[in-house]
Amino acid sequence: DARVTQTPRDKVTEMGQEVTMRCQPILGHNTVFWYRQTMMQGLELLAYFRNRAPLDDSGMPKDRFSAEMPDATLATLKIQPSEPRDSAVYFCASALFSTEAFFGQGTRLTVV
Amino acid sequence: DQQVKQNSPSLSVQEGRISILNCDYTNSMFDYFLWYKKYPAEGPTFLISISSIKDKNEDGRFTVFLNKSAKHLSLHIVPSQPGDSAVYFCAASASRGGADGLTFGKGTHLIIQP
Repeated sequence: DARVTQTPRDKVTEMGQEVTMRCQPILGHNTVFWYRQTMMQGLELLAYFRNRAPLDDSGMPKDRFSAEMPDATLATLKIQPSEPRDSAVYFCASALFSTEAFFGQGTRLTVV
Repeated sequence: DQQVKQNSPSLSVQEGRISILNCDYTNSMFDYFLWYKKYPAEGPTFLISISSIKDKNEDGRFTVFLNKSAKHLSLHIVPSQPGDSAVYFCAASASRGGADGLTFGKGTHLIIQP
């Protein structure tokens, strides 16, 4: 049963702390996306990778967010330092040569 | 500046009737459109798509219509079933079907009444 796996599912942290979210894309998929969902903005594209190389991170606040793919089975999204306005659900998705991306279940981040 | 707009935050339809969800876009570079369905506490799941070279695509109970001149697309679900209750997101891409990032609307919450 191929699926995108995200950890943790829920994270509550204090303002100023570092947060790392992890994603295991579907095996064989060569494109990995990070999206953020908020009530105000809906689903926004933060960054994406193809064959582990970053293609576009223009949607990401550069001063505090960073995204990496250490290997083909792991993508990470890090926020340092975290702020209350970062509270959202963060989704990872993966795809292979097509626009129909498969999404993980998301990480619900609450920064207090 | 929302490039993909879903102007109805919610829609209530009786079971067995037709559900019509609407989506408008402003970017004329968009050439591929998708609908995703999302249940609470889950990620969006792909439902159906359409390329800009077509004006209709059908898959079982789901049909997507595209009107390029009006920059408008709609998703028809017929007949509507209780399991269709979910949030539906319209999305668009300018990559000719390639795996580039999507621009999403804010979603429409569809409620199917028994």
